[in-house]
Amino acid sequence: SAVISQKPSRDICQRGTSLTIQCQVDSQVTMMFWYRQQPGQSLTLIATANQGSEATYESGFVIDKFPISRPNLTFSTLTVSNMSPEDSSIYLCSVETAGSYNEQFFGPGTRLTVL
Amino acid sequence: AQSVAQPEDQVNVAEGNPLTVKCTYSVSGNPYLFWYVQYPNRGLQFLLKYITGDNLVKGSYGFEAEFNKSQTSFHLKKPSALVSDSALYFCAVRDDSGAGSYQLTFGKGTKLSVIP
Repeated sequence: SAVISQKPSRDICQRGTSLTIQCQVDSQVTMMFWYRQQPGQSLTLIATANQGSEATYESGFVIDKFPISRPNLTFSTLTVSNMSPEDSSIYLCSVETAGSYNEQFFGPGTRLTVL
Repeated sequence: AQSVAQPEDQVNVAEGNPLTVKCTYSVSGNPYLFWYVQYPNRGLQFLLKYITGDNLVKGSYGFEAEFNKSQTSFHLKKPSALVSDSALYFCAVRDDSGAGSYQLTFGKGTKLSVIP
């Protein structure tokens, strides 16, 4: 398994600003992912964070809005840019380890409210 | 494309009774199936998975799930519900079609309430 922490745990932001969310894992992992969980909804994959290269975004998500960094095998950031109230969601980081065989472990999430 | 359906938004069960949370899926290749639980203000916790092998999979906290290929279902079960089992449960699927995609597709979730 893996222990994942996210910062901040929650934030309230103004429209038009940006917020960077950090994800830290206690061990090196092969895959890191960012999900969004809108209020009362299921989880939607935003992108796969690739170490040393650009993230792979899912349909409906673009790099200008959700830039992602992954400088090493234990850390990633997701930025929510030019925020609007529609961006109010829980953002979750997840990882897949080499030995977990398809099992993803999730961080505690970052609850974002945009006013 | 892969998809997951959880037909029940909410399931209510009395403490001590058996519980079932339903899940059906659609994939083009072989399915990898997962159940996660989310407690209030917490992240998702892994419960169990089916990759291959026995159709009955046992997981954490006494939960189990049965893979039924003909019905494309993966229902979550527990013989005796606890009040502490009250949470939001998500079924998820990944399609092992060989394309190398790691995307997990989640159902919309089912809120389980165990009544004392």
